[in-house]
Amino acid sequence: QLQLQESGPGLVRPSETLSLTCAVSGDSISNSFYYWGWIRQPPGKGLEWIGNIYHTGSTYKNPSLESRVTISLDTSKNQFSLNLNSVTAADTAVYYCASLERFSGAFDFWGQGTVVIVSS
Amino acid sequence: EIVLAQSPATLSLSPGERATLSCRASQSVSSYLAWYQQKPGQAPRLLIYDASNRATGIPARFSGSGSGTDFTLTISSLEPEDFAVYYCQQRGNWPQLTFGGGTKVEIK
Repeated sequence: QLQLQESGPGLVRPSETLSLTCAVSGDSISNSFYYWGWIRQPPGKGLEWIGNIYHTGSTYKNPSLESRVTISLDTSKNQFSLNLNSVTAADTAVYYCASLERFSGAFDFWGQGTVVIVSS
Repeated sequence: EIVLAQSPATLSLSPGERATLSCRASQSVSSYLAWYQQKPGQAPRLLIYDASNRATGIPARFSGSGSGTDFTLTISSLEPEDFAVYYCQQRGNWPQLTFGGGTKVEIK
């Protein structure tokens, strides 16, 4: 069974770059059955899809965030990463990484989430 | 972008009652809709994929139906652990994904 774990700074200053990593265990991120995704949830609000990456390196992003988002793979460490630049207070949220099973198109395994606060 | 509208925003029911949650898409997503349950302080959990398929380990009291633009998640008899927030998510506009705003099922 897949396990995912987010890590990264809990506090980011406005205008800087938010950087998070998701460590995957239980399978290889090179497994073609999965896409690897990032989802966020502002305090008291619903879920927002940020983007996905496939083992080929192809990325798919939410159009509302696309210009600020970079998602990458590190196969040597079996992990993938999120960079979100030019952050503002509106980017304060719980950030989740998750696996998206290729045939169901649903996020079947999730990390526990990591809180990121944007503040000076 | 496909917008998913969930209703009602809040559903107040008692244990043992039937819960019916709705998710309406702004355009057809075929049967490419999933449902998740989220409890406070926890990550979402996949319940249903492709409109009506229960994910591994999900109890039979959870069922999904619908296609096109109108979808329903039914909990046949609410257990105490079912009080939570439920989200729908579409992949009909692959690779663009969207989530609905959520329905909170609370104890009456």
